[in-house]
Amino acid sequence: EVQLVESGGGLVQPGGSLRLSCAASGFTFSSYWMHWVRQAPGKGLVWVSRINSDGSSTNYADSVKGRFTTSRDSAKNTLYLQMNSLRAEDTAVYYCARGGGVTMLEFDSWGQGTLVTVFS
Amino acid sequence: EIVLTQSPATLSVSPGARATLSCRASQSVGSNLAWYQQKPGQAPSLLIYGASTRATGVPARFSGSGSGTEFTLTISSLQSEDFAVYYCQQSNVWPPLTFGGGTQVEIK
Repeated sequence: EVQLVESGGGLVQPGGSLRLSCAASGFTFSSYWMHWVRQAPGKGLVWVSRINSDGSSTNYADSVKGRFTTSRDSAKNTLYLQMNSLRAEDTAVYYCARGGGVTMLEFDSWGQGTLVTVFS
Repeated sequence: EIVLTQSPATLSVSPGARATLSCRASQSVGSNLAWYQQKPGQAPSLLIYGASTRATGVPARFSGSGSGTEFTLTISSLQSEDFAVYYCQQSNVWPPLTFGGGTQVEIK
């Protein structure tokens, strides 16, 4: 069974940093693209980032480019999201998701999410 | 950036009735469109990808159709567990991957 378990969320002040982790199991982690998607309280889904299967290529939403970095450790089957220079508008539940479907650009498995709250 | 517009924002449907949800793209996305279901307090789950292919384990009452800029998700006979928010998502032109604003399906 595919499992994705996020951790690392919490309260942080504007300008601060957090690192989210997503532990993967039940599938060959190194074969899949992985994504981060976020959802502000009461709002819709927003794609944040994508990393390819070997970690050599990444893409980001414009709203986080230059502040967030996604990486992966295939030895630990873990995906990361390093978030720097956090802003109030980054407050959201952050989900990691496996790239599936035909193109690995659909999200066929999701974690339960971890809440990041940026407050002053 | 491709903008996806979902309508209606809220759909009130009686159990057992048919529900039709719409997703319109600001430019063609071919067949690179997916649908997700999200229940309160839960992560989304993939229903449909490639515009019309059901994901593993998705009941046959869910069907997707369309191509280009107009897409439809149909739930043929609503069950109690189907009352949720539904999102469409395109993967034809990226980054960014984009989602629609969602349609809430509620009990009438």
